Amino acid sequence: AIRMTQSPSSVSAFTGDRVTITCRASQGVSSYLAWYQQSPGKAPKLLIYAASSLQNGVPSRFSGSGSGTDFTLTIDSLQSEDSAIYYCLQYYTFSPAFGQGTKVEIK
Amino acid sequence: EVQLVESGGGLVQPGGSLRLSCIVSGFRFSDYWMSWVRQAPGGGLEWVAKIKHDGSEEYYVDSVRGRFSLSRDNSKNSLLLQMNSLRAEDTALYFCARARRIHSYDAFDFWGQGTMVTVSS
Repeated sequence: AIRMTQSPSSVSAFTGDRVTITCRASQGVSSYLAWYQQSPGKAPKLLIYAASSLQNGVPSRFSGSGSGTDFTLTIDSLQSEDSAIYYCLQYYTFSPAFGQGTKVEIK
Repeated sequence: EVQLVESGGGLVQPGGSLRLSCIVSGFRFSDYWMSWVRQAPGGGLEWVAKIKHDGSEEYYVDSVRGRFSLSRDNSKNSLLLQMNSLRAEDTALYFCARARRIHSYDAFDFWGQGTMVTVSS
């Protein structure tokens, strides 16, 4: 099974800062990589699919990049409402797998 | 408006069974792969199982294979997860989720709000 490893596990930043989260796959997943945002008590929300495509309605300060095994989610100009846990998901195989999550906090 | 509503969760003893249901509306259910994803209390997301749009293929995470069974009734817009031989480690909030594109196992774009399963004596 493909394992997904995110780093860092948590990050604290000021509003207006740029935040970068990385996700590494134990095997290549091409561009079959998505990013999700989960706020407390809520279902996950799809931000990015196909590694770099922005889901409808998601603010353009969110962007994704990468292919193969290494991927990045970038939040430009962090906002207070971006405080949440972010997960990557590979859907390349018949057994999708999530990363362990990265908690983003606002200083 | 796309909606997914899960039900059927509850408290069950180890070794017991439970059947979860997900009823959908707002889209053509028979066109989409569907999945269950769970989240243990305070934990991360774990994909559990998925089923092809026509019900002809199912896939499971190793930890539930042989114990859980996923099915769908496209005439009733319903997704069913039969969970047998439940263990304490199956305790979680269970979400149903839709694949983003029709006829494709894709990223999950719409999710329900989840139903809680607690396995404890």
